[in-house]
Amino acid sequence: AQKVTQAQTEISVVEKEDVTLDCVYETRDTTYYLFWYKQPPSGELVFLIRRNSFDEQNEISGRYSWNFQKSTSSFNFTITASQVVDSAVYFCALSEATGTASKLTFGTGTRLQVTL
Amino acid sequence: NAGVTQTPKFQVLKTGQSMTLQCAQDMNHEYMSWYRQDPGMGLRLIHYSVGAGITDQGEVPNGYNVSRSTTEDFPLRLLSAAPSQTSVYFCASSYGRHSNQPQHFGDGTRLSIL
Repeated sequence: AQKVTQAQTEISVVEKEDVTLDCVYETRDTTYYLFWYKQPPSGELVFLIRRNSFDEQNEISGRYSWNFQKSTSSFNFTITASQVVDSAVYFCALSEATGTASKLTFGTGTRLQVTL
Repeated sequence: NAGVTQTPKFQVLKTGQSMTLQCAQDMNHEYMSWYRQDPGMGLRLIHYSVGAGITDQGEVPNGYNVSRSTTEDFPLRLLSAAPSQTSVYFCASSYGRHSNQPQHFGDGTRLSIL
């Protein structure tokens, strides 16, 4: 069975600090997909990024960057120069390629609080 | 662009009552699913559908029924509400059936069972 672990329950930082959210996953599949979603205080879930298991290149999008390492089964998310608007719960999720349907397994989420 | 629309946004039920949570998407997505979100547990898959007339169980299906008569709609039914079903429910859809597609989520339904 697949599993996603986000060991950090809550992180508090001061604005402009860098912060890294950890995600460790377990799967028996060789083909799989990893996702990050953001849930701001308003409650909706916002898709941030998708990574497939064959692409270990790191990705940067503005202040966001993602570090995918298959050797350690990790897909960590870094926010550079954090802002108050980054305050949210962030979920890492895993989808295996077996079968014909997409079934996401979510981690328990990391609540990020950015203060002035 | 409506995307995924869930109704109602809030609901309070008494134990034993039944109700249907509505979910509609206007993106012609093949895949639709229901999740529940509970504190400290992330989101867990209840039921999903890969197309009209096809549904299957997720991780926590007990106490819930679904049907998919059209591509657009995927209602979730609570047959006899229990306090353990107090949760926030999210409907999601994605293009195609493949696991590489990001899912688009509705705004959620906050359900309280007294």
